[in-house]
Amino acid sequence: AQTVTQSQPEMSVQEAETVTLSCTYDTSESDYYLFWYKQPPSRQMILVIRQEAYKQQNATENRFSVNFQKAAKSFSLKISDSQLGDAAMYFCAYRSWGDKIIFGKGTRLHILP
Amino acid sequence: DTGVSQNPRHKITKRGQNVTFRCDPISEHNRLYWYRQTLGQGPEFLTYFQNEAQLEKSRLLSDRFSAERPKGSFSTLEIQRTEQGDSAMYLCASSQEGQHTEAFFGQGTRLTVV
Repeated sequence: AQTVTQSQPEMSVQEAETVTLSCTYDTSESDYYLFWYKQPPSRQMILVIRQEAYKQQNATENRFSVNFQKAAKSFSLKISDSQLGDAAMYFCAYRSWGDKIIFGKGTRLHILP
Repeated sequence: DTGVSQNPRHKITKRGQNVTFRCDPISEHNRLYWYRQTLGQGPEFLTYFQNEAQLEKSRLLSDRFSAERPKGSFSTLEIQRTEQGDSAMYLCASSQEGQHTEAFFGQGTRLTVV
């Protein structure tokens, strides 16, 4: 069965600095997708960034980028120029083609002014 | 397109009562997911539908839980004989399989069993 592991329950970063959130996953599939979702306090989950496993190029969305290491089954999220609005729970998620999405336990990110 | 809508937003019920939640997905989305989330944890998969067909139900889900999507549009999640351990946020998400790889989430229904 596929699993997603986030080893950092909480992290803090100074405003305007860069932070990296870690995620590892386990799968025997070759065709799959990885995601980072953000869940602000008392607000709904929104997609931050998506990575297709067949793409070697790391995905980037403005200040958010990933480091996708397929052989190591690692998928980290880098947030550059951290802003107060980035404070939230961040969930790493996995799905194989046509299947359900499974989530890690999350990392709570604090932004220090 | 108003996004995924869940009702009610909050539900307080007494132990032993039955509760039903509704999810209206983004129109034309053929896939619908239900997840449960407890405080400080990640969403835990419950079940999902492709149109009206229930494709998978979590083995962690007891027989007290049932979900339907009768016409392939909205879905309901019923919990019978609620227990205090059922207290959680119940999240619904939808996607258009073949077009989206990610799911779009609603705001959730927070259930408190007293």
